[in-house]
Amino acid sequence: SAVISQKPSRDICQRGTSLTIQCQVDSQVTMMFWYRQQPGQSLTLIATANQGSEATYESGFVIDKFPISRPNLTFSTLTVSNMSPEDSSIYLCSVGSSFGNQPQHFGDGTRLSIL
Amino acid sequence: LAKTTQPISMDSYEGQEVNITCSHNNIATNDYITWYQQFPSQGPRFIIQGYKTKVTNEVASLFIPADRKSSTLSLPRVSLSDTAVYYCLVGPEAGSYQLTFGKGTKLSVIP
Repeated sequence: SAVISQKPSRDICQRGTSLTIQCQVDSQVTMMFWYRQQPGQSLTLIATANQGSEATYESGFVIDKFPISRPNLTFSTLTVSNMSPEDSSIYLCSVGSSFGNQPQHFGDGTRLSIL
Repeated sequence: LAKTTQPISMDSYEGQEVNITCSHNNIATNDYITWYQQFPSQGPRFIIQGYKTKVTNEVASLFIPADRKSSTLSLPRVSLSDTAVYYCLVGPEAGSYQLTFGKGTKLSVIP
């Protein structure tokens, strides 16, 4: 399975600032996804990162708050903009194939704390 | 997307077999059943996937009855390192890649 690296692994940020999280995959993948996992909770899909086009966002998530880039088939970034303490979460990148039933593979996430 | 229901938590002693059952009454014809394991400070890790009957790999077995309205993840002879949260997912829908994670089952293995 693909090896997924996320940077940074953790960060502590000030309210009102923005942070960009990087996701690098060791092979070309069709689908890349970004999830949020709030403390003690399950994972929630933020958006699907589409190569060469705008990301597809899930209900409750908007591009202005979570801009996403997908410049090629091995890399994506998620920016958390104008952060507030409510954005303190783990943000995870995952990859999948174009065959919907194939399991997704996840990075180890970025643990973000906002003061 | 089909909703899943699992026990919130389970405890087991080391060396025992653990069975975690997941209900998915509204599973669609094209849905697969997939289980993930998540340790603290790590992303979910794929364990096993099945469509019907029984699937076994080096880590676990997955039992799916004929009506597919439930499934059971079986972990043989658990160890302390199996303490984790286990998620049961069904889907994705045809033409979609979305995974919907439920609350998962927190398994605690006791020495």
